[in-house]
Amino acid sequence: AQKVTQAQTEISVVEKEDVTLDCVYETRDTTYYLFWYKQPPSGELVFLIRRNSFDEQNEISGRYSWNFQKSTSSFNFTITASQVVDSAVYFCALFSGNTGKLIFGQGTTLQVKP
Amino acid sequence: GAVVSQHPSRVICKSGTSVKIECRSLDFQATTMFWYRQFPKQSLMLMATSNEGSKATYEQGVEKDKFLINHASLTLSTLTVTSAHPEDSSFYICSARVRQGVGETQYFGPGTRLLVL
Repeated sequence: AQKVTQAQTEISVVEKEDVTLDCVYETRDTTYYLFWYKQPPSGELVFLIRRNSFDEQNEISGRYSWNFQKSTSSFNFTITASQVVDSAVYFCALFSGNTGKLIFGQGTTLQVKP
Repeated sequence: GAVVSQHPSRVICKSGTSVKIECRSLDFQATTMFWYRQFPKQSLMLMATSNEGSKATYEQGVEKDKFLINHASLTLSTLTVTSAHPEDSSFYICSARVRQGVGETQYFGPGTRLLVL
Protein backbone atom coordinates (compact mmCIF):
# COMPACT_ATOMS: atom_id res chain seq x y z
CA ALA A 1 0.00 0.00 0.00
CA GLN A 2 1.09 3.55 -0.68
CA LYS A 3 0.72 6.03 2.11
CA VAL A 4 2.07 9.37 3.25
CA THR A 5 1.82 10.46 6.86
CA GLN A 6 2.30 13.96 8.12
CA ALA A 7 1.81 13.55 11.82
CA GLN A 8 1.94 17.27 12.61
CA THR A 9 -1.44 18.81 11.90
CA GLU A 10 -0.56 22.33 12.95
CA ILE A 11 2.66 24.03 13.97
CA SER A 12 2.99 27.55 15.30
CA VAL A 13 6.34 29.30 15.59
CA VAL A 14 7.59 32.80 16.09
CA GLU A 15 9.38 34.51 13.24
CA LYS A 16 13.07 33.63 12.88
CA GLU A 17 12.65 30.27 14.54
CA ASP A 18 13.66 27.14 12.67
CA VAL A 19 10.91 24.61 12.04
CA THR A 20 10.90 21.04 10.72
CA LEU A 21 7.93 19.45 9.05
CA ASP A 22 7.88 15.67 9.20
CA CYS A 23 6.89 13.28 6.44
CA VAL A 24 6.89 9.49 6.58
CA TYR A 25 5.92 7.37 3.61
CA GLU A 26 5.12 3.77 2.78
CA THR A 27 5.62 2.13 -0.57
CA ARG A 28 6.65 -1.17 -2.07
CA ASP A 29 7.96 0.46 -5.22
CA THR A 30 11.70 0.28 -5.71
CA THR A 31 11.62 3.50 -7.68
CA TYR A 32 9.48 6.37 -6.48
CA TYR A 33 9.48 10.13 -6.15
CA LEU A 34 8.80 12.36 -3.19
CA PHE A 35 7.54 15.91 -3.30
CA TRP A 36 6.83 18.88 -1.11
CA TYR A 37 4.21 21.44 -2.08
CA LYS A 38 3.24 24.68 -0.38
CA GLN A 39 -0.37 25.86 -0.34
CA PRO A 40 -0.71 29.48 0.80
CA PRO A 41 -4.12 30.93 1.73
CA SER A 42 -4.78 31.75 -1.92
CA GLY A 43 -5.09 28.01 -2.55
CA GLU A 44 -2.60 27.41 -5.32
CA LEU A 45 -0.17 24.54 -4.78
CA VAL A 46 3.39 25.64 -5.28
CA PHE A 47 5.96 23.00 -6.17
CA LEU A 48 8.97 23.10 -3.84
CA ILE A 49 11.04 20.00 -4.49
CA ARG A 50 11.14 16.56 -6.05
CA ARG A 51 13.42 13.83 -4.78
CA ASN A 52 14.07 10.54 -6.57
CA SER A 53 14.25 7.40 -4.45
CA PHE A 54 17.70 6.54 -5.73
CA ASP A 55 19.14 9.90 -4.75
CA GLU A 56 19.50 10.24 -1.00
CA GLN A 57 21.52 13.40 -1.14
CA ASN A 58 20.04 16.12 1.01
CA GLU A 59 19.23 19.41 -0.59
CA ILE A 60 19.35 23.03 0.46
CA SER A 61 17.66 25.90 -1.31
CA GLY A 62 18.02 29.19 0.49
CA ARG A 63 16.21 28.87 3.84
CA TYR A 64 14.72 25.53 2.84
CA SER A 65 16.39 22.17 3.32
CA TRP A 66 15.24 18.60 2.93
CA ASN A 67 16.46 15.47 4.68
CA PHE A 68 15.71 12.24 2.84
CA GLN A 69 16.31 9.10 4.93
CA LYS A 70 15.44 5.97 3.01
CA SER A 71 16.23 3.76 6.00
CA THR A 72 13.42 5.36 8.00
CA SER A 73 11.19 6.20 5.01
CA SER A 74 11.21 9.85 5.91
CA PHE A 75 11.51 13.04 3.89
CA ASN A 76 11.55 15.93 6.34
CA PHE A 77 11.48 19.60 5.44
CA THR A 78 13.21 22.30 7.47
CA ILE A 79 12.67 26.03 7.18
CA THR A 80 15.46 28.06 8.73
CA ALA A 81 14.78 31.50 10.14
CA SER A 82 11.09 31.30 9.38
CA GLN A 83 9.20 34.31 8.08
CA VAL A 84 5.53 35.29 8.20
CA VAL A 85 5.29 34.63 4.46
CA ASP A 86 6.09 30.99 5.16
CA SER A 87 2.66 30.60 6.76
CA ALA A 88 0.83 28.03 4.65
CA VAL A 89 -0.23 24.43 4.46
CA TYR A 90 2.59 22.16 3.39
CA PHE A 91 1.93 18.85 1.70
CA CYS A 92 4.29 15.95 1.31
CA ALA A 93 3.47 13.64 -1.59
CA LEU A 94 4.61 10.32 -3.03
CA PHE A 95 4.49 9.42 -6.70
CA SER A 96 3.94 5.78 -7.41
CA GLY A 97 5.16 4.53 -10.75
CA ASN A 98 2.86 1.54 -10.47
CA THR A 99 -0.31 3.58 -10.17
CA GLY A 100 0.86 6.74 -11.91
CA LYS A 101 -0.73 8.77 -9.14
CA LEU A 102 0.44 11.34 -6.66
CA ILE A 103 -0.49 10.42 -3.10
CA PHE A 104 -0.72 13.29 -0.64
CA GLY A 105 -0.26 13.43 3.08
CA GLN A 106 -2.85 15.23 5.18
CA GLY A 107 -0.83 18.40 5.23
CA THR A 108 0.76 20.45 7.99
CA THR A 109 -0.49 23.94 8.66
CA LEU A 110 2.39 26.21 9.57
CA GLN A 111 1.69 29.52 11.24
CA VAL A 112 4.59 31.91 11.64
CA LYS A 113 3.81 34.73 14.02
CA PRO A 114 5.60 38.07 13.87
CA GLY B 1 8.44 25.66 -13.36
CA ALA B 2 5.61 24.97 -15.77
CA VAL B 3 2.53 27.20 -15.62
CA VAL B 4 -0.99 25.86 -15.35
CA SER B 5 -4.02 28.14 -15.38
CA GLN B 6 -7.60 27.56 -14.33
CA HIS B 7 -10.74 29.45 -15.16
CA PRO B 8 -12.85 30.58 -13.47
CA SER B 9 -11.15 31.11 -10.14
CA ARG B 10 -14.45 31.35 -8.35
CA VAL B 11 -18.02 30.52 -9.31
CA ILE B 12 -21.34 30.70 -7.55
CA CYS B 13 -24.27 28.92 -9.14
CA LYS B 14 -27.78 27.77 -8.38
CA SER B 15 -28.54 24.18 -7.58
CA GLY B 16 -29.31 22.19 -10.72
CA THR B 17 -27.12 24.14 -13.08
CA SER B 18 -23.94 22.89 -14.73
CA VAL B 19 -20.54 24.48 -14.28
CA LYS B 20 -17.53 24.13 -16.56
CA ILE B 21 -13.99 24.60 -15.28
CA GLU B 22 -11.07 24.95 -17.67
CA CYS B 23 -7.50 23.86 -17.03
CA ARG B 24 -4.77 25.00 -19.41
CA SER B 25 -1.07 24.31 -19.64
CA LEU B 26 0.36 27.62 -20.77
CA ASP B 27 3.91 26.92 -21.82
CA PHE B 28 3.97 23.20 -22.46
CA GLN B 29 1.89 20.37 -23.82
CA ALA B 30 0.26 18.02 -21.37
CA THR B 31 -0.94 14.65 -22.52
CA THR B 32 -2.07 13.92 -18.99
CA MET B 33 -3.85 16.21 -16.57
CA PHE B 34 -5.39 15.46 -13.22
CA TRP B 35 -8.43 16.79 -11.40
CA TYR B 36 -8.49 17.01 -7.63
CA ARG B 37 -11.04 18.08 -5.10
CA GLN B 38 -10.22 19.61 -1.73
CA PHE B 39 -12.58 20.22 1.17
CA PRO B 40 -11.70 22.80 3.83
CA LYS B 41 -8.79 21.80 6.02
CA GLN B 42 -8.38 18.52 4.18
CA SER B 43 -5.92 17.06 1.74
CA LEU B 44 -6.34 16.77 -2.00
CA MET B 45 -8.45 13.94 -3.31
CA LEU B 46 -7.80 12.71 -6.83
CA MET B 47 -11.00 12.61 -8.82
CA ALA B 48 -9.82 11.56 -12.25
CA THR B 49 -6.96 11.37 -14.70
CA SER B 50 -7.58 13.19 -17.94
CA ASN B 51 -5.87 11.81 -21.04
CA GLU B 52 -5.67 13.76 -24.27
CA GLY B 53 -7.73 12.13 -26.99
CA SER B 54 -9.19 9.40 -24.82
CA LYS B 55 -11.63 8.87 -22.00
CA ALA B 56 -10.77 9.99 -18.52
CA THR B 57 -10.01 7.48 -15.81
CA TYR B 58 -12.11 8.08 -12.71
CA GLU B 59 -11.25 7.18 -9.15
CA GLN B 60 -13.46 4.85 -7.20
CA GLY B 61 -16.54 6.61 -5.90
CA VAL B 62 -16.40 9.49 -8.39
CA GLU B 63 -19.44 9.62 -10.65
CA LYS B 64 -18.30 10.00 -14.24
CA ASP B 65 -21.72 11.19 -15.36
CA LYS B 66 -21.66 13.83 -12.68
CA PHE B 67 -18.16 15.08 -13.35
CA LEU B 68 -17.60 15.17 -17.09
CA ILE B 69 -14.02 15.49 -18.24
CA ASN B 70 -12.90 16.41 -21.73
CA HIS B 71 -9.26 16.63 -22.82
CA ALA B 72 -9.63 17.68 -26.42
CA SER B 73 -6.21 19.22 -26.93
CA LEU B 74 -2.70 18.98 -25.54
CA THR B 75 -3.15 22.19 -23.57
CA LEU B 76 -6.75 22.08 -22.36
CA SER B 77 -8.79 19.85 -20.09
CA THR B 78 -12.27 20.74 -18.88
CA LEU B 79 -14.27 19.52 -15.91
CA THR B 80 -18.03 19.99 -16.03
CA VAL B 81 -19.99 19.56 -12.84
CA THR B 82 -23.44 18.62 -14.10
CA SER B 83 -26.61 19.40 -12.19
CA ALA B 84 -24.61 20.82 -9.34
CA HIS B 85 -25.89 20.51 -5.77
CA PRO B 86 -24.72 22.17 -2.56
CA GLU B 87 -22.65 19.10 -1.63
CA ASP B 88 -20.58 19.69 -4.79
CA SER B 89 -19.34 22.94 -3.30
CA SER B 90 -15.61 22.55 -2.97
CA PHE B 91 -12.21 23.67 -4.20
CA TYR B 92 -11.32 22.02 -7.50
CA ILE B 93 -7.68 21.92 -8.59
CA CYS B 94 -6.16 20.63 -11.77
CA SER B 95 -2.59 19.64 -12.44
CA ALA B 96 -0.52 18.75 -15.46
CA ARG B 97 2.28 16.26 -15.64
CA VAL B 98 5.68 17.35 -16.92
CA ARG B 99 8.49 14.93 -17.57
CA GLN B 100 11.74 16.30 -16.20
CA GLY B 101 14.88 14.28 -16.62
CA VAL B 102 14.29 11.01 -14.83
CA GLY B 103 10.76 11.07 -13.53
CA GLU B 104 8.06 13.68 -13.66
CA THR B 105 6.54 16.53 -11.71
CA GLN B 106 2.94 17.68 -11.42
CA TYR B 107 2.33 21.39 -11.59
CA PHE B 108 -0.95 22.68 -10.23
CA GLY B 109 -3.37 25.33 -11.32
CA PRO B 110 -4.57 28.04 -8.92
CA GLY B 111 -7.83 26.20 -8.25
CA THR B 112 -11.52 27.00 -8.66
CA ARG B 113 -13.80 27.62 -5.70
CA LEU B 114 -17.29 26.39 -6.46
CA LEU B 115 -20.24 27.40 -4.30
CA VAL B 116 -23.59 25.88 -5.15
CA LEU B 117 -26.57 27.61 -3.56
